[in-house]
Amino acid sequence: QQPVQSPQAVILREGEDAVINCSSSKALYSVHWYRQKHGEAPVFLMILLKGGEQKGHEKISASFNEKKQQSSLYLTASQLSYSGTYFCGISFQGAQKLVFGQGTRLTINP
Amino acid sequence: EAGVAQSPRYKIIEKRQSVAFWCNPISGHATLYWYQQILGQGPKLLIQFQNNGVVDDSQLPKDRFSAERLKGVDSTLKIQPAKLEDSAVYLCASRGVRGATEAFFGQGTRLTVV
Repeated sequence: QQPVQSPQAVILREGEDAVINCSSSKALYSVHWYRQKHGEAPVFLMILLKGGEQKGHEKISASFNEKKQQSSLYLTASQLSYSGTYFCGISFQGAQKLVFGQGTRLTINP
Repeated sequence: EAGVAQSPRYKIIEKRQSVAFWCNPISGHATLYWYQQILGQGPKLLIQFQNNGVVDDSQLPKDRFSAERLKGVDSTLKIQPAKLEDSAVYLCASRGVRGATEAFFGQGTRLTVV
């Protein structure tokens, strides 16, 4: 049931864009995106629901494709503060169970 | 609003010893999760409580791990006896009512088994 994230790691220069994907083998109800910096707890970014398509604000947004059972996180014009490991967590219909992917490490260089 | 509290922050024990972690979730949150996060990996769900009942413990190594949530509030996770491979950060998270709500994480307990 664990979602699969890709890529495993990304290295960018400040100002570049990144896309992180999260795929499930089972029909999704919701997708949760978190960012974790080294030695800290995961911090919530956004949640997407079945039936919804895109969410977020100007620089960080996400989409949810029900048919493909996947979600993508978009980071636009990346800033140094975006560095960290991004995790997607997924829940299924009728369950509060929240299962996380293995993470995508994002490094932003000046 | 107070966040999820965990203690201790760090713990070093020898293999075969026992250890316990404590978690106080956000007030009113019915769902509580314990995750194990090994360095470089994603959080692995160990157990999920709904109030004081266990909803999912399929990934909990029950021969050595146990958890309880008395009165549907605080929770403790115990390991007895510990093995070297138990070295990890143990994260507690809580979540509100059913539906699309975010989970809030505590700072975690970093366990080192030597």
